[in-house]
Amino acid sequence: AQSVTQPDIHITVSEGASLELRCNYSYGATPYLFWYVQSPGQGLQLLLKYFSGDTLVQGIKGFEAEFKRSQSSFNLRKPSVHWSDAAEYFCAVGRMDSNYQLIWGAGTKLIIKP
Amino acid sequence: GAGVSQSPSNKVTEKGKDVELRCDPISGHTALYWYRQSLGQGLEFLIYFQGNSAPDKSGLPSDRFSAERTGGSVSTLTIQRTQQEDSAVYLCASSQQGASTIYFGEGSWLTVV
Repeated sequence: AQSVTQPDIHITVSEGASLELRCNYSYGATPYLFWYVQSPGQGLQLLLKYFSGDTLVQGIKGFEAEFKRSQSSFNLRKPSVHWSDAAEYFCAVGRMDSNYQLIWGAGTKLIIKP
Repeated sequence: GAGVSQSPSNKVTEKGKDVELRCDPISGHTALYWYRQSLGQGLEFLIYFQGNSAPDKSGLPSDRFSAERTGGSVSTLTIQRTQQEDSAVYLCASSQQGASTIYFGEGSWLTVV
């Protein structure tokens, strides 16, 4: 069955430190891959997406993610986090023929230490 | 409007009452989605509208849940005889036809007491 796993329920990093949020998926074909961020009291905002081509994708707010087919992973990274990055991050997988059937991870809550 | 608008933002209701949640998608977006987000969980697909096509209701958890979309724009999600397990954030999203990026509203937080 198709699934998305975000192994870390929450992660705490110091402001200015680097960040990596993990996402692993189980999918039979080449997936569409997404990272969304949900800040307190706000809706989900798309950070970046991967469809094909270059496996390293750049997103908004200085985030990037790398698609590794061999590891079925799409980890999100940022070289230096800011306090405003504190939020919950969701990884999602979509089908090429049915974009509404996104399969979502349970989310990782990012906590920033001053 | 500029983004997906949902109302109410918060709703507390008594068990057994009916509730209606409204979604106003981005102008020009033909696709509209409803998701449910329970505490500590990922998003759960509920229903999908695309233009004038029959909606995909495969994600609705029970017959107490229904949704309609009038005039291809505003959508209402109705939950009848609410139960405590219905407490969640109900997220609406919209997209252009054929587009893979969907845009979310801020959600309606439903609490059933």
